[in-house]
Amino acid sequence: EDQVTQSPEALRLQEGESSSLNCSYTVSGLRGLFWYRQDPGKGPEFLFTLYSAGEEKEKERLKATLTKKESFLHITAPKPEDSATYLCAVQAGGGSQGNLIFGKGTKLSVKP
Amino acid sequence: NAGVMQNPRHLVRRRGQEARLRCSPMKGHSHVYWYRQLPEEGLKFMVYLQKENIIDESGMPKERFSAEFPKEGPSILRIQQVVRGDSAAYFCASSPGGQGSSPLHFGNGTRLTVT
Repeated sequence: EDQVTQSPEALRLQEGESSSLNCSYTVSGLRGLFWYRQDPGKGPEFLFTLYSAGEEKEKERLKATLTKKESFLHITAPKPEDSATYLCAVQAGGGSQGNLIFGKGTKLSVKP
Repeated sequence: NAGVMQNPRHLVRRRGQEARLRCSPMKGHSHVYWYRQLPEEGLKFMVYLQKENIIDESGMPKERFSAEFPKEGPSILRIQQVVRGDSAAYFCASSPGGQGSSPLHFGNGTRLTVT
């Protein structure tokens, strides 16, 4: 069964304290792995797409990497405005376009 | 450049009533998707539509739920005879046409409360 597991469920950091969020996946034929950010009361906001092992994408303080079994979202010197829930999702080979399997997310809190 | 628009933002229905949720995709997007987010759960895929066609409804409950994306106007997710378990946030997303793994762009959701 296709599955996505994110850890930790919640993460508290001090401003400037770098860390990583993990997304482990089991999927038949990965077509794409997506990272989203979700603020309270809002919809998910697209961050990155990764397609193959070894691929990396960067945007400001965020860097996403992909291996054959997991993806990491590295946050360098976070700021309070980075506080949000970060969602990982995969598109499996057997699924239709847009049929994504989401993890439950990691809730990140960054204290000043 | 408007994003995905959903309305209403909040909807309260009594058990047994009908709920209609509307979604207008981003300009230039012809593919629409509906997801449901239950408390403490991840987003779950429900249905994928193109204009006048349902492409994949593998995540839709077999009864009481239906979706459409007419030639003109927004996509509609309809829930008949709502029950308390239908209380959730319903998100619509859209993407451009064509093949491949285009990222989905989500609206801010409709929060349905069934009393």
